[in-house]
Amino acid sequence: GQNIDQPTEMTATEGAIVQINCTYQTSGFNGLFWYQQHAGEAPTFLSYNVLDGLEEKGRFSSFLSRSKGYSYLLLKELQMKDSASYLCAVRVYNAGNNRKLIWGLGTSLAVNP
Amino acid sequence: GAVVSQHPSWVICKSGTSVKIECRSLDFQATTMFWYRQFPKQSLMLMATSNEGSKATYEQGVEKDKFLINHASLTLSTLTVTSAHPEDSSFYICSAPDPPFTGELFFGEGSRLTVL
Repeated sequence: GQNIDQPTEMTATEGAIVQINCTYQTSGFNGLFWYQQHAGEAPTFLSYNVLDGLEEKGRFSSFLSRSKGYSYLLLKELQMKDSASYLCAVRVYNAGNNRKLIWGLGTSLAVNP
Repeated sequence: GAVVSQHPSWVICKSGTSVKIECRSLDFQATTMFWYRQFPKQSLMLMATSNEGSKATYEQGVEKDKFLINHASLTLSTLTVTSAHPEDSSFYICSAPDPPFTGELFFGEGSRLTVL
């Protein structure tokens, strides 16, 4: 089966650092993605990891360990606008050998002043 | 980045009617498009993969006769919710992978369907 776990909710303070974890158990692996979704809007792409290690992009970083089936998204210098849902998704191949994303339920992050 | 445009953004319809949602790739050709449904406070649920020039691939549990998908050109895919019922009320989002699907998905703005 396909399973992606991430915390349901997190709270942090403006200016702080927060780490959102994601663990996955999938049949096959072809990359892990993090997306940000504000309420009522479509998701927007944040990061992509296919090899082990840390990918840094401004205030956002994402880490992957394929052997552990584990990833985290690190958000630094939190701003109020970072309050959103953060979705972890793993790309796999389906029965027709096409690639598709398996999505976690998302972590709702609330940034407080 | 690439742009995917989705219309309508909001639609309210009566129970039993059909609703069509369009998804267009504006500056690139999308041989594949994904249609998702999202209920409040839940994650994205893949409904089907739309392939240009061929039949869509539906996920398990999704009724293909109820959710008709057409991908007649490289820039347009449509989702038609037939005989809509209140339980079909949801946020429907289309997306297309960046050619050649090395990473990012480009999402449409989403369509919020309310069935009365």
